[in-house]
Amino acid sequence: AQTVTQSQPEMSVQEAETVTLSCTYDTSESNYYLFWYKQPPSRQMILVIRQEAYKQQNATENRFSVNFQKAAKSFSLKISDSQLGDTAMYFCAFMKHWGNAGNMLTFGGGTRLMVKP
Amino acid sequence: EAQVTQNPRYLITVTGKKLTVTCSQNMNHEYMSWYRQDPGLGLRQIYYSMNVEVTDKGDVPEGYKVSRKEKRNFPLILESPSPNQTSLYFCASSPGTTGNQPQHFGDGTRLSIL
Repeated sequence: AQTVTQSQPEMSVQEAETVTLSCTYDTSESNYYLFWYKQPPSRQMILVIRQEAYKQQNATENRFSVNFQKAAKSFSLKISDSQLGDTAMYFCAFMKHWGNAGNMLTFGGGTRLMVKP
Repeated sequence: EAQVTQNPRYLITVTGKKLTVTCSQNMNHEYMSWYRQDPGLGLRQIYYSMNVEVTDKGDVPEGYKVSRKEKRNFPLILESPSPNQTSLYFCASSPGTTGNQPQHFGDGTRLSIL
């Protein structure tokens, strides 16, 4: 079974600064996907970024980028030029490459990020 | 507009009174799933369905039932709700079960069982 751990329950950052959210995971799989989801106060689950484990290059999406360290089983999210709209709960999630078993997504406990003006 | 629709968005009810949370998707997705979200625990899968008439248990299925009679609908049924089922519930769907087919989530249903 997979586990995902987010060790920072809450974080804050000043507007326009950079913040990094941590995520570690445990798996025996060699091929898998990792995700970061954003949940704003509206409760929607919004996919922020996705990383395929067999790709060494770190994924980026505009101001969002990841630092994927496969050997260390670490998958951190960096938010550059933080904006007030980035205030949300952020979830790290793991998925096997072939999700034909039950648990498609295994989530971490979440990190609540507050961006301060 | 492609979406996953859950109803109701909020519900307060009492212990033992049967309730159903509906979920419908308009994307012709084969895979549908229910999660519950609790503080510090993230989202945990309750049940999933790979296709019509095919359902299976996730991590926390106790106290819940589901059905998949039509491709678009995947209702979550609480036959005899208890206070420990007070939670935020999400329905999700995806075309298939690989990582390049991310799940689409509904807007969530906040259930309070008194």
